[in-house]
Amino acid sequence: DAGVTQSPTHLIKTRGQHVTLRCSPISGHKSVSWYQQVLGQGPQFIFQYYEKEERGRGNFPDRFSARQFPNYSSELNVNALLLGDSALYLCASSLQGNEQYFGPGTRLTVT
Amino acid sequence: GQNIDQPTEMTATEGAIVQINCTYQTSGFNGLFWYQQHAGEAPTFLSYNVLDGLEEKGRFSSFLSRSKGYSYLLLKELQMKDSASYLCAVRALTTGTASKLTFGTGTRLQVTL
Repeated sequence: DAGVTQSPTHLIKTRGQHVTLRCSPISGHKSVSWYQQVLGQGPQFIFQYYEKEERGRGNFPDRFSARQFPNYSSELNVNALLLGDSALYLCASSLQGNEQYFGPGTRLTVT
Repeated sequence: GQNIDQPTEMTATEGAIVQINCTYQTSGFNGLFWYQQHAGEAPTFLSYNVLDGLEEKGRFSSFLSRSKGYSYLLLKELQMKDSASYLCAVRALTTGTASKLTFGTGTRLQVTL
């Protein structure tokens, strides 16, 4: 069975640009969560989506947005990129918020 | 809010036993998770505790005391491949089925010969 997949694997952007990161959950999982992990820190919660509705949001500015599609895949969008947005962005899927399975992540570098 | 504390680094010898502690403060507690993360990779699920007591899974065991806001991960018969960061995460209910995981900063374990 395929696990959580994310694309792209790596991304380099310039300050002020926007970025879209994609995630496909494990088949049958309806909940997708996004996390930001800065080097040397634990993942920080950004969003949770369940059945295409936002169910939770972490302490991130409005430059961060996300959505979930009818097939339960999800996109994370970040506008007006800052140097501090450089991080590993992790997507996790779960059955109704139980144990979460993480994808390989997208490493974003903002220059 | 939520606060999770775990040691930054630990070192142990191959074949030994190591205990990684985690203390937490949270409202709406709904479970504690341990994840393993090798450098440059995504976290992988190790264990889940929602009730007090010990959960054993092979070489790994996890303990929870909700009244003390305390958990530990016990790794037995350490192997070199166990060198990784170990993340403690607390799940808190928000509304309905919504939940979020709050992670500690992770404990970097170095296994030596």
